[in-house]
Amino acid sequence: DAKTTQPNSMESNEEEPVHLPCNHSTISGTDYIHWYRQLPSQGPEYVIHGLTSNVNNRMASLAIAEDRKSSTLILHRATLRDAAVYYCISSRDSSYKLIFGSGTRLLVRP
Amino acid sequence: EAGVAQSPRYKIIEKRQSVAFWCNPISGHATLYWYQQILGQGPKLLIQFQNNGVVDDSQLPKDRFSAERLKGVDSTLKIQPAKLEDSAVYLCASSFRGSSDTQYFGPGTRLTVL
Repeated sequence: DAKTTQPNSMESNEEEPVHLPCNHSTISGTDYIHWYRQLPSQGPEYVIHGLTSNVNNRMASLAIAEDRKSSTLILHRATLRDAAVYYCISSRDSSYKLIFGSGTRLLVRP
Repeated sequence: EAGVAQSPRYKIIEKRQSVAFWCNPISGHATLYWYQQILGQGPKLLIQFQNNGVVDDSQLPKDRFSAERLKGVDSTLKIQPAKLEDSAVYLCASSFRGSSDTQYFGPGTRLTVL
């Protein structure tokens, strides 16, 4: 499984967009990119995942670079409830193991 | 739809004691996972079950940790004897079929070993 690199922390203002970066320079062609987040005192929750194309759902958008060596999770309007640790994970579909790093702690200012 | 249930939510024990955690996955989910999350780190997979069979237990410290899922539904994770370094949150997750499906996590059990 490809190793991912994320900033330790980021800050954002409420109701502004947030772009959370992730580098996965050793990714292979069959590795998916997954994002989970963990709110305080809760288990992780699924946010979004993709392979090559950009993806959108009700929670966020995932922008994947053309060479797939990096991706960006986009929260279109941050709310206080979005304050959490965001994990970027890269895994092969055939052996989909969630290997978590330390993630990015997102702070949202009111 | 009910989520993944775990109990207890908190447990404090002395080192060398034993402890057990219980997990009830989402109804109909064939795959169940146990993760260990040490403070400040991301969760680490300990064991994965597909129905009542073990798929992956490569990261489980088998000299002290054991887990079972006898009827392919709920599961227990046991530590015997506990060490100080076992202090962590133990998370249970489930997915509908196999590893390629979204995983749904429970709230976790916070274990403190004194």
